[in-house]
Amino acid sequence: GAVVSQHPSWVICKSGTSVKIECRSLDFQATTMFWYRQFPKQSLMLMATSNEGSKATYEQGVEKDKFLINHASLTLSTLTVTSAHPEDSSFYICSAGGTIHTDTQYFGPGTRLTVL
Amino acid sequence: QKEVEQNSGPLSVPEGAIASLNCTYSDRGSQSFFWYRQYSGKSPELIMSIYSNGDKEDGRFTAQLNKASQYVSLLIRDSQPSDSATYLCAVKGGGKFYFGSGTKLNVKP
Repeated sequence: GAVVSQHPSWVICKSGTSVKIECRSLDFQATTMFWYRQFPKQSLMLMATSNEGSKATYEQGVEKDKFLINHASLTLSTLTVTSAHPEDSSFYICSAGGTIHTDTQYFGPGTRLTVL
Repeated sequence: QKEVEQNSGPLSVPEGAIASLNCTYSDRGSQSFFWYRQYSGKSPELIMSIYSNGDKEDGRFTAQLNKASQYVSLLIRDSQPSDSATYLCAVKGGGKFYFGSGTKLNVKP
């Protein structure tokens, strides 16, 4: 149980384009989803917290107009990196906590984004 | 700012030995504590959660919590080369999870 998927697993795009990453909870309802970014040899950096049906809460220093988060259903959240630049290249990981797993979060496999 | 501190390592242990990983946290009101394992290039996977003072055992893993000292540890018995990874300590507070920077563990055959 508690399986979280992400798609795509990796993506390469040109500078200036937008990229959408999907995060799905496959076997539970995720009332809260978290989006993290991880640069090489560094720890996880929380970008934002999203609750189903409401606006995401962004961490300080994260541009909400650049990183658009939508949590439209209890099983799906999306992160769109708009006008991507090479410095946005990173490992993006979502995690989900649900109505049953309220005190634990389960991570998706991550999406490696490379912006050329 | 809630802080979670871990020794970055690397911690090297021989195969079959006990690996001891430590973590301290700053928010005395924290109630939930987690250990995650992260292999290089992969996302973290949950190993254990602990909520009460004392020890919690799951197979070769034992988590220890001391809220008075604001200290969490993870012991890995009979360490295997496949345990070589970065171990992340996480503390939940205010609905969010705060991660340490991770301790890299190397288990040498």
